[in-house]
Amino acid sequence: DSGVTQTPKHLITATGQRVTLRCSPRSGDLSVYWYQQSLDQGLQFLIQYYNGEERAKGNILERFSAQQFPDLHSELNLSSLELGDSALYFCASSFSGRSDNEQFFGPGTRLTVL
Amino acid sequence: DQQVKQNSPSLSVQEGRISILNCDYTNSMFDYFLWYKKYPAEGPTFLISISSIKDKNEDGRFTVFLNKSAKHLSLHIVPSQPGDSAVYFCAANTDRGSTLGRLYFGRGTQLTVWP
Repeated sequence: DSGVTQTPKHLITATGQRVTLRCSPRSGDLSVYWYQQSLDQGLQFLIQYYNGEERAKGNILERFSAQQFPDLHSELNLSSLELGDSALYFCASSFSGRSDNEQFFGPGTRLTVL
Repeated sequence: DQQVKQNSPSLSVQEGRISILNCDYTNSMFDYFLWYKKYPAEGPTFLISISSIKDKNEDGRFTVFLNKSAKHLSLHIVPSQPGDSAVYFCAANTDRGSTLGRLYFGRGTQLTVWP
């Protein structure tokens, strides 16, 4: 158990819908990362937050947005969903967000868009 | 652009033998390299890491070697055990530039250790 929790575990929805994925980082960790793992791709970085502020952005679509709240939990919002958004979404956390800080991953949310 | 590459999607090794997983990278700004292990239906779990100022790091049965001139790293598992069967991801990051701390992942290598 990494200490990072993600809800829900599975999500099935239809095209055009909007969903919210939730992540609680390990106790004491200030930085949260979101990654997407599709079948034909490896783990792709989406976005990073540090202590409530956006710190780095990767290949995140404009239809996707995220935020980190004062209690440090984070939410990833996916809207106008398309079939290609079906993937595993992982949240990870680390203490400082620096490269020598190990990132701890949650169990992931499997999103299926029908 | 795939800045971290794992060219072998799978590797099969007999129990007790050495497993060698390889990884290549293209970005010379990477400061830190990590290996993660992933079982089905679980998130990746950190295994071992190495700083770019070192060429070897050892932790029990796991050793990571870094060859900066070749932009290549490898993970050695000795002896391999059936419980090591999992997908292994190579990852790298840097504190320089605008992408502080984010991990760049390879596509993974499925290791199967058979009895």
